[in-house]
Amino acid sequence: QSVLTQPPSVSGAPGQRVTISCTGSGSNIGAPYDVQWYQRLPGTAPKLLIYGNTNRPSGVPDRFSGSRSGTSASLVISGLRAEDEAEYFCQSYDSSLRAYVFGTGTQVTVL
Amino acid sequence: QVQLQESGPGLVKPSETLSLTCDVSGGTISSHYWSWIRQPPGKGLEWIGYIYYSGSTNSNPSLKSRVTISVDKSKTQFSLRLTSVTAADTAVYYCARGLSTAWFESWGRGILVSVSS
Repeated sequence: QSVLTQPPSVSGAPGQRVTISCTGSGSNIGAPYDVQWYQRLPGTAPKLLIYGNTNRPSGVPDRFSGSRSGTSASLVISGLRAEDEAEYFCQSYDSSLRAYVFGTGTQVTVL
Repeated sequence: QVQLQESGPGLVKPSETLSLTCDVSGGTISSHYWSWIRQPPGKGLEWIGYIYYSGSTNSNPSLKSRVTISVDKSKTQFSLRLTSVTAADTAVYYCARGLSTAWFESWGRGILVSVSS
């Protein structure tokens, strides 16, 4: 069961900015535990995009940025590109479940 | 660049034990946390558990009684055993690596395991 809620889909034209939300609760994002974001292209291994709420691993374009506020987090993709069409999901830790938890996933479509 | 590859049977019978292995190439199995994560069809991702290279483990309380994760440093691989499987254990299983327990920096491509008689 996913305890972090994301919109099922978002879309945008090339060059536009899209925002993906991740809503949790006081036992995970709001505790506060760090939020991570991953990108999954069909048939490929998920890729870490953001860790520790705002940090990008080496090699991740700065078009991707993350933030956390209260019991929610957001991933922003600025300057949307065709290759950004993928599924994105957030991840954190939940102290009530004593487990690492994931979001429901958001499909990004580039129009 | 480390690469992870899951392997194991794609079909397991109900009540039997699911066994998967993750081969690690391009890096050492030391000084990292090694995790298993799964995604049942049409559902979200679920963390199963991790093992530190020293051998200490932690697993999801919802699966803890059925899960064993082990590491073989000589073969640079780690393994998952899930006992008494049911149809609810049908999922794509991923192995992953993390420098911290908090996130998963490298993943395998996943392997679909179906539980059916």
